Amino acid sequence: GEDVEQSLFLSVREGDSSVINCTYTDSSSTYLYWYKQEPGAGLQLLTYIFSNMDMKQDQRLTVLLNKKDKHLSLRIADTQTGDSAIYFCAEISCRVTGGGNKLTFGTGTQLKVEL
Amino acid sequence: NAGVTQTPKFRILKIGQSMTLQCTQDMNHNYMYWYRQDPGMGLKLIYYSVGAGITDKGEVPNGYNVSRSTTEDFPLRLELAAPSQTSVYFCASRLPDTEAFFGQGTRLTVV
Repeated sequence: GEDVEQSLFLSVREGDSSVINCTYTDSSSTYLYWYKQEPGAGLQLLTYIFSNMDMKQDQRLTVLLNKKDKHLSLRIADTQTGDSAIYFCAEISCRVTGGGNKLTFGTGTQLKVEL
Repeated sequence: NAGVTQTPKFRILKIGQSMTLQCTQDMNHNYMYWYRQDPGMGLKLIYYSVGAGITDKGEVPNGYNVSRSTTEDFPLRLELAAPSQTSVYFCASRLPDTEAFFGQGTRLTVV
């Protein structure tokens, strides 16, 4: 299967760290992405990780990839109210036959940051 | 570059009407995608294309058609609109092994 799964909701206090998790099933994925969607808007790329990496850090964002368990996580340090949004993980299926180059999104995690 | 441009931004259709959602990109991207996002839900892939003249079905293609006669344009056609097609539609494009860029969406209501 090609399901990408995420928990639906996460609530954190301002200043705390947020960890958003994602599991995927396509072991052929070469890139995995995190997108952010604010209310009424399109999707914006936050960060991505190549499949031969375990970790990538970009300012307040840390991406961890466990290929063995097909698990991806996004950690947001010092979470702010402006981080409230829906976060999607996405994978690119790179199979040669049947579904190659499909960009599949997770179900999205709604992050709510409380004061 | 304008990026990915979708038109219209909003549309109300009556049941049984047809319409075409337009998507164009000026980044010379090979791959283009159409998704629908229902309220409170994730994105479901409708159709995608890896280049001009090539299209493939995604998860939810029924009720839709696409064409890719040029690299720039990837229109999505609804022939007989149904209430179940009420959704927000996003078009995206990318180059191989790079991130996807999204349009701002088309909010469609079928009544």
